[in-house]
Amino acid sequence: TQLLEQSPQFLSIQEGENLTVYCNSSSVFSSLQWYRQEPGEGPVLLVTVVTGGEVKKLKRLTFQFGDARKDSSLHITAAQTGDTGLYLCAGNAGGTSYGKLTFGQGTILTVHP
Amino acid sequence: GAGVSQSPSNKVTEKGKDVELRCDPISGHTALYWYRQSLGQGLEFLIYFQGNSAPDKSGLPSDRFSAERTGGSVSTLTIQRTQQEDSAVYLCASSSVAGRLAKNIQYFGAGTRLSVL
Repeated sequence: TQLLEQSPQFLSIQEGENLTVYCNSSSVFSSLQWYRQEPGEGPVLLVTVVTGGEVKKLKRLTFQFGDARKDSSLHITAAQTGDTGLYLCAGNAGGTSYGKLTFGQGTILTVHP
Repeated sequence: GAGVSQSPSNKVTEKGKDVELRCDPISGHTALYWYRQSLGQGLEFLIYFQGNSAPDKSGLPSDRFSAERTGGSVSTLTIQRTQQEDSAVYLCASSSVAGRLAKNIQYFGAGTRLSVL
């Protein structure tokens, strides 16, 4: 069974600060996704990373996939109150996994004004 | 439809009753996934459909859980003899392409919040 360890579980910061969320596994994933989920809604895809060492930027968000494709990170620069939410990493083992996702436990981010 | 639709949005039931949860995927999406989101457990995969067949049922927690999909569209997740530990948010996702995740973008519904008293 593949597991994804996501940390920290909770993050409370002031507007303008930077933060990093980590997602680690002992297993190799063919690709990894990051989602954001608002209360009462389903997760919404932010990015997919597929190549070891890949870095993707989405405005103030930077996503990195580890060289060995076992870990990933999400870095937010100059956080804003609108960034508040639940962030989830999810991995796909590829092969015959049919695209089913293994999710991390999630990080609840609160950005205070 | 415009997005994945799930119904009901909330369901309260008594222990021992059966419940049915419905998912309407995005029109034309052949792949459909059910996940369960509960406190302390995160999001867990339950079952995957490609068309009307379910090649992966490995996440169903017990034989009280079953799912079907008809016409390659609507899917129903049925939980028989519900238990309190079944309380969770049940999420459905659909995708136009299964397999390699780079092309497999899963679109999630808002979920059904199930509370078993």
